[in-house]
Amino acid sequence: DQQVKQNSPSLSVQEGRISILNCDYTNSMFDYFLWYKKYPAEGPTFLISISSIKDKNEDGRFTVFLNKSAKHLSLHIVPSQPGDSAVYFCAASGAGGTSYGKLTFGQGTILTVHP
Amino acid sequence: DVKVTQSSRYLVKRTGEKVFLECVQDMDHENMFWYRQDPGLGLRLIYFSYDVKMKEKGDIPEGYSVSREKKERFSLILESASTNQTSMYLCASSPLAGGPTDTQYFGPGTRLTVL
Repeated sequence: DQQVKQNSPSLSVQEGRISILNCDYTNSMFDYFLWYKKYPAEGPTFLISISSIKDKNEDGRFTVFLNKSAKHLSLHIVPSQPGDSAVYFCAASGAGGTSYGKLTFGQGTILTVHP
Repeated sequence: DVKVTQSSRYLVKRTGEKVFLECVQDMDHENMFWYRQDPGLGLRLIYFSYDVKMKEKGDIPEGYSVSREKKERFSLILESASTNQTSMYLCASSPLAGGPTDTQYFGPGTRLTVL
């Protein structure tokens, strides 16, 4: 049972344009969402996060939008750069306390930004 | 800067061998995690630990065990390696759970091949 889904295995974008990566979740108990970026032969690195009490969080070229009613979040990268080419994972966590920081990850989306 | 190190980047073992994967973090984090990453499946949680000598099963614990004798070290053990355990194994750590502290920090991964 995949509770966090990234339905697009890959995305190809021209340099300078917008990249939009999507993520859907099914568990309404999730209250914190994160995006990780992974280059080949490296571990994932944290990119940006959003709490369920917000609908938008921005950090430089990266913006995450959350639509709780639709159980959907998206990551916007503007403008896209060739160095953004990587696998992007969406992740979600439940309420604090006994969750011990457990994250549930999506399948990942391979982003390729062409010069 | 948080540093999570894994004992090997690449490992080749034979079916039936006992395999140890070691992970060390230097940030005094309470929580530690073992994931495997497979194409199309994303990161799946094998086991996690929220304190020394404490462990909890993740989503796919079958065929694996773990050990946490010291706070900074978390070991993943394949009691009798099988070919379907060929995968990328990622270790992560995080501070005690609760909102923004759910961010996990990952090691570079161990690519395990079981022949």
